[in-house]
Amino acid sequence: QLQLQESGPGLVKPSETLSLTCTVSGGSINSSPYNWGWIRQPPGKGLQWIGSVYYTGSTYYNPSLKSRVTMSVDTSKSQFSLKLNSVTAADTAVYYCARERIAAAGPLDCWGQGTLVTVSS
Amino acid sequence: QSALTQPPSASGSPGQSVTISCTGTSSDVGAYNYVSWYQQHPGKAPKLMIFEVSKRPSGVPDRFSGSKSGNTASLTVYGLQAEDEASYYCTSYASSNNLIFGGGTKLTVL
Repeated sequence: QLQLQESGPGLVKPSETLSLTCTVSGGSINSSPYNWGWIRQPPGKGLQWIGSVYYTGSTYYNPSLKSRVTMSVDTSKSQFSLKLNSVTAADTAVYYCARERIAAAGPLDCWGQGTLVTVSS
Repeated sequence: QSALTQPPSASGSPGQSVTISCTGTSSDVGAYNYVSWYQQHPGKAPKLMIFEVSKRPSGVPDRFSGSKSGNTASLTVYGLQAEDEASYYCTSYASSNNLIFGGGTKLTVL
């Protein structure tokens, strides 16, 4: 049974870089055609797709975040990662990782439990 | 790309049916059959309920049904049950490799 688990700091200072990792277990991160995505949800608000990465390293980013986002994959560790630079309080959110069946189109058929990242000094 | 438009709230009594709409444009919902719906209970991760407009993943009750007409997609829940009370989000592929979400609808079972 496929499982995803997010990990990383729960507190990041303004202007610094948010870094999260998602570990995939119970399935292969190399599975075609799946992409591996990140989605966030500010407290009390809706969901926003951040982007996704294929096991070859190909990436797809939300145009509104593209200038600040970098995603990568480490197939040897069955992990994929998110870096979001120059963060502000507006980046405070629960960050989810998920499996994406078709790049940038979904569906997102398996989700991690989410991790809260707070941006504050 | 703007978010898809969903009503903030919807409600129905147990056993009734309720329909939640998701309105986009001819560049997203109207152009592609990559519309999905997710159910989210408070404090939990979203769960996929419908994909490719009307397909149900294994394990999702057939009380949940999806459809699309023009630029508007819809999720209908038949025979409402207490456990259906949750927030529901639609998504659609949009041009330029972008996945957009609706603002979410909070469904209350009266």
